[in-house]
Amino acid sequence: DGGITQSPKYLFRKEGQNVTLSCEQNLNHDAMYWYRQDPGQGLRLIYYSQIVNDFQKGDIAEGYSVSREKKESFPLTVTSAQKNPTAFYLCASSKISTGSYNEQFFGPGTRLTVL
Amino acid sequence: DAKTTQPTSMDCAEGRAANLPCNHSTISGNEYVYWYRQIHSQGPQYIIHGLKNNETNEMASLIITEDRKSSTLILPHATLRDTAVYYCIVRASSGSARQLTFGSGTQLTVLP
Repeated sequence: DGGITQSPKYLFRKEGQNVTLSCEQNLNHDAMYWYRQDPGQGLRLIYYSQIVNDFQKGDIAEGYSVSREKKESFPLTVTSAQKNPTAFYLCASSKISTGSYNEQFFGPGTRLTVL
Repeated sequence: DAKTTQPTSMDCAEGRAANLPCNHSTISGNEYVYWYRQIHSQGPQYIIHGLKNNETNEMASLIITEDRKSSTLILPHATLRDTAVYYCIVRASSGSARQLTFGSGTQLTVLP
């Protein structure tokens, strides 16, 4: 079954701790994305990557870090510098093809709660 | 990317058509209209997209006005499982990775 997996579904951490959220895809997509969603709000882009070992900041990258060592994996670290880390985190992936729409496929999300 | 305006919420009776409107009066000629939906506590799901012509797939139909300043997503026979937040997004097609700008969307509630 092709798709995107995120783990864990729920995550609890103490304030001041770094935490890493996993995202894996077996769709052979080049691009991967991390979004954050707060209650009642739309999604905001944290980071994205178009190719292995390269990534770009999105609108709200402060307090987050990512890596892209493998095409299928794009883990997100929420650092202690992120002031309001409690949120729903969504990972997505897409093809990159010139001249066509590259639909983004989303994972099930990880709900992070910082106590 | 052009801004979109959607109603905050709508209700629809089960089995009836759900018509979700979206205004995008500042849309540019090279920008597409995309629709995604998000069922509670899940990741968003792509529904359909279009440029000028009306589009239909197994999930929905998309009607775009001739001046392209507004569009309507139609779910022909809504079921309880269609209860979700529906997002209308306007964006140019691109050969590179681009973010999707999600607004607050329309909460569609399908009533039994």
